[in-house]
Amino acid sequence: DQQVKQNSPSLSVQEGRISILNCDYTNSMFDYFLWYKKYPAEGPTFLISISSIKDKNEDGRFTVFLNKSAKHLSLHIVPSQPGDSAVYFCAALSNTNAGKSTFGDGTTLTVKP
Amino acid sequence: NAGVTQTPKFRVLKTGQSMTLLCAQDMNHEYMYWYRQDPGMGLRLIHYSVGEGTTAKGEVPDGYNVSRLKKQNFLLGLESAAPSQTSVYFCASSDRTHQPQHFGDGTRLSIL
Repeated sequence: DQQVKQNSPSLSVQEGRISILNCDYTNSMFDYFLWYKKYPAEGPTFLISISSIKDKNEDGRFTVFLNKSAKHLSLHIVPSQPGDSAVYFCAALSNTNAGKSTFGDGTTLTVKP
Repeated sequence: NAGVTQTPKFRVLKTGQSMTLLCAQDMNHEYMYWYRQDPGMGLRLIHYSVGEGTTAKGEVPDGYNVSRLKKQNFLLGLESAAPSQTSVYFCASSDRTHQPQHFGDGTRLSIL
């Protein structure tokens, strides 16, 4: 049973518009969530994180929102740029899991000029 | 500024052959991880280590072994390679739990 799900395999947006990537989880013990970005032939790189004690975290153009009651988080990118085109993974950790991250399957974002 | 370095970057093996993938990090991180990524899927944890001399099984450990004899190195071994182990393998490290992981650029492994 997949504990972290990214239900949209792909998303296409116009440059300058908002990109919204979604992630759902089932394990209520998850208490820390991260987003990673991955370009082809490279490893994932950390983008932004949020603790379960918060409902929003912002870093420049990137904002992550957490809705614990719905077990849902989203990543907003505003404004989107062509260089943001990549695969985005959400990941979740719990205190009971010794640092192990559980990853979603990823969403491929394409930002069109 | 190396971060996490994986060796080799590409390898083709025949079924039944053995090999070792090397991961080295220069950030003095305690935690290290090995993942595999298959097409259209996320990263699945194979084995991990929470410190020098320790290892533990992840989500998909069968067919793999690991060793962490030195803090900076984490080795992943395939004793008898099978076509189902064709994948891209990523190594990662983190300072401690609940911290972002730093990834290497991956090893693309094909088993014929």
